[in-house]
Amino acid sequence: AQKVTQAQTEISVVEKEDVTLDCVYETRDTTYYLFWYKQPPSGELVFLIRRNSFDEQNEISGRYSWNFQKSTSSFNFTITASQVVDSAVYFCALSESNYGQNFVFGPGTRLSVLP
Amino acid sequence: SAVISQKPSRDICQRGTSLTIQCQVDSQVTMMFWYRQQPGQSLTLIATANQGSEATYESGFVIDKFPISRPNLTFSTLTVSNMSPEDSSIYLCSVDPGRVRRTEAFFGQGTRLTVV
Repeated sequence: AQKVTQAQTEISVVEKEDVTLDCVYETRDTTYYLFWYKQPPSGELVFLIRRNSFDEQNEISGRYSWNFQKSTSSFNFTITASQVVDSAVYFCALSESNYGQNFVFGPGTRLSVLP
Repeated sequence: SAVISQKPSRDICQRGTSLTIQCQVDSQVTMMFWYRQQPGQSLTLIATANQGSEATYESGFVIDKFPISRPNLTFSTLTVSNMSPEDSSIYLCSVDPGRVRRTEAFFGQGTRLTVV
């Protein structure tokens, strides 16, 4: 069975601090995709990254970086020098690559960046 | 890439009425999915809509309450029937992420439903 855990329900940081959002997943498949989405108060899901299970390279995109560790089934997300606009709920999600597989979402982490 | 358009973006409805949400994809996809996000919660899969067959519903969701149509490979609708305030949620459609090769968002913009 698939499962995604985001142990941090809420995080508050002060602007310019770095913050890491944790994601731990469970799957029996050897081939799968991992995702991070941002959901601002408007409610739209903003796609941040898709990573397939065979690509363990860490990725950096501007102030965002992702650390994928298959050995610990984790896919953590770090925001460097956080900004108030980063305040949102962040979801980690898993999709097994078999045809027709849906997303399984974690419970989300609400990030508040204070000025 | 799949661009997904969903409408309406929001609506306020009276209890006991029904609302149909439309989801249009700009490329052909076999599988489409409907999710519900209740206030303060994560996303939960309602059903999988496969063109040419009945939708497959997850535990806790039934066809009478959430009828789904999938008339072709680019379009689907979800109806929320006989609404009650507990149906107030964001409803989102998506496509099979394993079949969309380019790195894009896989979700429509969502429909924010308030039932009064």
